Amino acid sequence: DAEITQSPRHKITETGRQVTLACHQTWNHNNMFWYRQDLGHGLRLIHYSYGVQDTNKGEVSDGYSVSRSNTEDLPLTLESAASSQTSVYFCASSESPSGSNEQFFGPGTRLTVL
Amino acid sequence: QKEVEQNSGPLSVPEGAIASLNCTYSDRVSQSFFWYRQYSGKSPELIMSIYSNGDKEDGRFTAQLNKASQYVSLLIRDSQPSDSATYLCAVEYYGNNRLAFGKGNQVVVIP
Repeated sequence: DAEITQSPRHKITETGRQVTLACHQTWNHNNMFWYRQDLGHGLRLIHYSYGVQDTNKGEVSDGYSVSRSNTEDLPLTLESAASSQTSVYFCASSESPSGSNEQFFGPGTRLTVL
Repeated sequence: QKEVEQNSGPLSVPEGAIASLNCTYSDRVSQSFFWYRQYSGKSPELIMSIYSNGDKEDGRFTAQLNKASQYVSLLIRDSQPSDSATYLCAVEYYGNNRLAFGKGNQVVVIP
């Protein structure tokens, strides 16, 4: 069955370290999104991509970067982790602008920055 | 900044009753609206999509959309303990597959 996976599911790191969170989908969806979810803020968009080689900043992109080298993967990199980036991170995907705009979420990664 | 408001606090309903959730949004041109269910410690799960004014029913769930008043609601009929979760309202803005989410409403179904 097609699915969207994230790894690792849990990560503890130290301030200043570079961290990469993986997202892989097998739906062949063009659109992929990264969100963070924090108490009191709900889901906020970090970065998104409409296809290979396309990346765009969301509302909370500072300190994060993404790259899209193939359809299946959109890794999220924290260049220098900060305690404020402790959060739960969700990856999502949707078909395309000309197809369904329903977004489906991965299981999430809980990141703790000490 | 696109706003999606879910102002109600936690909602407690007895088993078998109707749970009603409301959501308002700020962008008049939004055309796509979604309800997600999120269990504690889990990821959001899409339960309803609605694109036209009126009601859309799927099993025990009914979504209602009123674009003129800029609100969308979700009714859960015959509420079950398994419906206890946080429900997130999401609105597509800019017509480009980007979603703005409300902060969610917690529903507790009491057996």
